[in-house]
This record gives sequence, C-alpha cells and structure tokens, in this order.
Amino acid sequence: DAKTTQPTSMDCAEGRAANLPCNHSTISGNEYVYWYRQIHSQGPQYIIHGLKNNETNEMASLIITEDRKSSTLILPHATLRDTAVYYCIVKGWGKLQFGAGTQVVVTP
Amino acid sequence: NAGVTQTPKFRILKIGQSMTLQCTQDMNHNYMYWYRQDPGMGLKLIYYSVGAGITDKGEVPNGYNVSRSTTEDFPLRLELAAPSQTSVYFCASRGGTGGGGEQYFGPGTRLTVT
Repeated sequence: DAKTTQPTSMDCAEGRAANLPCNHSTISGNEYVYWYRQIHSQGPQYIIHGLKNNETNEMASLIITEDRKSSTLILPHATLRDTAVYYCIVKGWGKLQFGAGTQVVVTP
Repeated sequence: NAGVTQTPKFRILKIGQSMTLQCTQDMNHNYMYWYRQDPGMGLKLIYYSVGAGITDKGEVPNGYNVSRSTTEDFPLRLELAAPSQTSVYFCASRGGTGGGGEQYFGPGTRLTVT
C-alpha cells in the first residue's frame, strides 16, 4: 500500500473550516484514500473514504485531486470535540497502515 | 448494538506473567483485528482474522497468540509478558467480504508490564 505524508500538527479556530492535507504520490489505481481520527485515549473512528470522486458525509468532505496524488479532508465547522489525531491512509486489498497522523487542535 | 467491546480496560502485569485480552463484536463481522499503539505512535497490526477458524500474522506478532473459535470473539493471548509489551491494545472489526470497508474499533486495553 502507498505511503502518505501529513503535517505533524495544525490549529483551527472553532466554527471555521479545517482543511487537512495528505500527499500520496505513489497511490495505485485500485487504492482508496481513507481517513480516521483518534480522540485522546479512544479507539480510532472512521470518517470517510474515496477512490477518485469527491465524497461527503455527515462528518466531513474528502477532496481528491484529479491525478489522485493528494487529498484534503475538510471539517466544515470545526468544534472543540474535533480535537484529535487525524490519519490519512491509502489502502487497497492490504491492511490499514497507520502513520503518525496530524494532531489537530481546535481552539475557542 | 454494543459494537466492539474489550476487557479489561486496564491491567498491570509482572514480567513473565500471562494474560488474555478479550474482544467481542456483535455486528456479525467476518474480519477482526488486533493492534497495539505505543505512546505518540500510530497503530501497528498484531494479528487479524478473516473468519472463524482463520487467523494470520500482522506486522508485530511476536509474543502474542490469537484464536477465533466464533464470529463474535477474538481473544489475544500474551505469554511471558515483557516490558516491551507495555502499550494500548485496540481490537477492531469490519464487515464485507472484500478488501475495503470501514473498521470499527473498541475502546482499548491499557497494559503495563513491570
């Protein structure tokens, strides 16, 4: 499975949109982009996944570039409860491989 | 649905002791997984199972054993605990039959080996 690169940390103001970038330049045609998050001391929580089209659900939107080499997770209106580590994972038929993720801190 | 449940929540073991971490899911999922997470790090896969009676090694299986006698349960056994096994252990499950789909995680077991 392809490796991903994410910023180590980022801050976001409460009520504003949080845009989390992820680079996956070696992604293969059959690999999906998954996003999970882990709130302190809890198990990871699935957020969204996509192949090539943009996706939206009740939690977030996922924007994947046309060449699929990068993507952005958008939390439209960040709240304090969105403070967490966010993991971008590229996965085909293999297993989920968690990197270090991005520590997102939402501030009042 | 309770989802994925894990017991115990916390445990302290002495070096050389053994224990079993319990994991149960009530979603009738075929796939189940055990991960460990060391401080400040991402999760690493220990073992996984694609159905009852079938298990396979993940990235870091040494020092652990698993069994899958039922769809619901996937216990993780630690034999001869070592300080390097101090970690948080997460169990997860996934439905479907292919390689995709979201995993549902349990709340974790925090294990300290001293």
